[in-house]
Amino acid sequence: QSVLTQPPSASGAPGQRVTISCLGSSSNSGSNYVYWYQQLPGTAPKLLIYMDDQRPSGVPDRFSGSKSGSSASLAISGLRSEDEGDYYCATWDDSLSGHCVFGGGTKLTVL
Amino acid sequence: QLQLQESGPGLVKPSETLSLTCTVSSASITSIIHYWDWVRQPPGKGLEWIGSVYYNGSTYHSPSLKSRVAISLDTSKNQFFVTLKSVTAADTAVYFCARRRTDIVGAIQGDYYFDYWGQGVLVTVSS
Repeated sequence: QSVLTQPPSASGAPGQRVTISCLGSSSNSGSNYVYWYQQLPGTAPKLLIYMDDQRPSGVPDRFSGSKSGSSASLAISGLRSEDEGDYYCATWDDSLSGHCVFGGGTKLTVL
Repeated sequence: QLQLQESGPGLVKPSETLSLTCTVSSASITSIIHYWDWVRQPPGKGLEWIGSVYYNGSTYHSPSLKSRVAISLDTSKNQFFVTLKSVTAADTAVYFCARRRTDIVGAIQGDYYFDYWGQGVLVTVSS
């Protein structure tokens, strides 16, 4: 079981908006930044969002992040077929001497 | 362009030790704003963080793997390493090496994020 809880799947039609949630606790997402990674089939993960809501250069503004308390969300607007893949949230957990934790991942399907 | 390349045996027998190397190109692992990490992904499953090493040799480890894992680095070769003892079939996974960075002066661990990844190497545990 992942420390960060994500829905296993999400879907939407091209052009639609989808959101993916990530729920943690006070020792992880409630006290540290949340990061989002996109993993397309057969590739390494790629950074989408850092420090809760910041987009690296090169990431389209269709992708946005937010956080309230221990709950974070990734929103993807104007869905495109190339967005289909797995999405992971991640953060640092301050318990047990500190360690990095990932959510279980959400498989996004573009219908 | 920064590159990370994993290398090591693709097949390890149960109860033996898994050892992998990550060679870093176009960046120095002695940088003070970066950590060097290992992450794995069992076939068809999610990402699992293994651990992290800093330029001075200090490390962090996953609590679930801490008793079996060691992470180290060789600054002269610009490489870092992971060893995992007493492997079982559950350790079969694609192993990624990755860099974590921060943009914050005086950063805490929560300020670091993965910005570069290797392509990953599949390690199968089987007799």
